[in-house]
Amino acid sequence: DSGVTQTPKHLITATGQRVTLRCSPRSGDLSVYWYQQSLDQGLQFLIQYYNGEERAKGNILERFSAQQFPDLHSELNLSSLELGDSALYFCASSVAGTGNTGELFFGEGSRLTVL
Amino acid sequence: AQSVTQLGSHVSVSEGALVLLRCNYSSSVPPYLFWYVQYPNQGLQLLLKYTSAATLVKGINGFEAEFKKSETSFHLTKPSAHMSDAAEYFCAARGGSQGNLIFGKGTKLSVKP
Repeated sequence: DSGVTQTPKHLITATGQRVTLRCSPRSGDLSVYWYQQSLDQGLQFLIQYYNGEERAKGNILERFSAQQFPDLHSELNLSSLELGDSALYFCASSVAGTGNTGELFFGEGSRLTVL
Repeated sequence: AQSVTQLGSHVSVSEGALVLLRCNYSSSVPPYLFWYVQYPNQGLQLLLKYTSAATLVKGINGFEAEFKKSETSFHLTKPSAHMSDAAEYFCAARGGSQGNLIFGKGTKLSVKP
């Protein structure tokens, strides 16, 4: 158990819909990262938050947005869903932000299926 | 920009045989390197990490990796494969000031009895 909690574990929805994925980081970790894992693209970094502020942005679509709340949990919002958004979405956390030499701790992921 | 290349999307070994999973990185600065393992329907678990201390890094479950700057490589090895090692393995790097990790495409390891 990494200490990172993600909900829901599975989600099935239709094209055009909007979903929210939730992540609670390990106790004491200030940074939260979102990754998308798909068969064709592998593990793609989406976005990072540190102590409530956006710190780094990766390959995140404009239809996707995220935020980190004062209690440090984070939400990833996916809207106008397309079939190609079907993937496993991981949240990870770490103690520090940039310049961190430590590892990321990953949750078990949220599997999104868009029909 | 940092990038990570894993040679071989699938590797198959017999139980008891040597496991060798290859990883090369590209970076203009000394990187921090990681190997993660993903079992089916689970998240990623850290196997080991290199952070510029010793070049030979020992991890969990008998795995180790050697950092070779001249070859820009960080290959993962295990002397004797076990059936429970069957999983997907990811090499990752963090370079510069970014906190996020850049992952390779992954190598799926199969272990034959």
